[in-house]
Amino acid sequence: GEDVEQSLFLSVREGDSSVINCTYTDSSSTYLYWYKQEPGAGLQLLTYIFSNMDMKQDQRLTVLLNKKDKHLSLRIADTQTGDSAIYFCAETLGGYNKLIFGAGTRLAVHP
Amino acid sequence: DTAVSQTPKYLVTQMGNDKSIKCEQNLGHDTMYWYKQDSKKFLKIMFSYNNKELIINETVPNRFSPKSPDKAHLNLHINSLELGDSAVYFCASSQGSTGQGLSYEQYFGPGTRLTVT
Repeated sequence: GEDVEQSLFLSVREGDSSVINCTYTDSSSTYLYWYKQEPGAGLQLLTYIFSNMDMKQDQRLTVLLNKKDKHLSLRIADTQTGDSAIYFCAETLGGYNKLIFGAGTRLAVHP
Repeated sequence: DTAVSQTPKYLVTQMGNDKSIKCEQNLGHDTMYWYKQDSKKFLKIMFSYNNKELIINETVPNRFSPKSPDKAHLNLHINSLELGDSAVYFCASSQGSTGQGLSYEQYFGPGTRLTVT
């Protein structure tokens, strides 16, 4: 079935690392994505990982993929107040690039 | 020089009316999409067009009709608006649509907040 799951809330202190977790359902998903949505704004593509990779790092962002458990995580190092947003993971389903989104994790960064 | 733009940004209308939302992308992409985000922030795909051809059509009431006059534009027309249509509608585009081992990242517009009263 089409079901991507994420925890709904995460609160971290400024300067700490944030880890946002996601589980997906389709083992044939080729790419998995992380998007960021700030209040009142559209979705910004943060990063993506190909299914044959275990890890991808991009500056403060680290994506880990456990394909056996269908588990994806996004680690944000040195979290800043500007990182406060909703983070969506998404998998592609089928042959036409259909994105299936999780419910989003609301990240709150406090001083 | 906005990559994916939508108009209007806000739309407030009464039940039973017909309205349209427009989307344009200047990225030279072949594929465009419409997504609906409900009040709980849940995002779901509605339609996708590739080179003006409909390729994804999810279970959406037939009051919703997408139209793609060319590959840079994808409009969404909604007839007989209902309260449950209130949501934020996002347009997106990508370079291609079929997997073939390639990532076709989708780039999203700023959204149109539709409120039906």
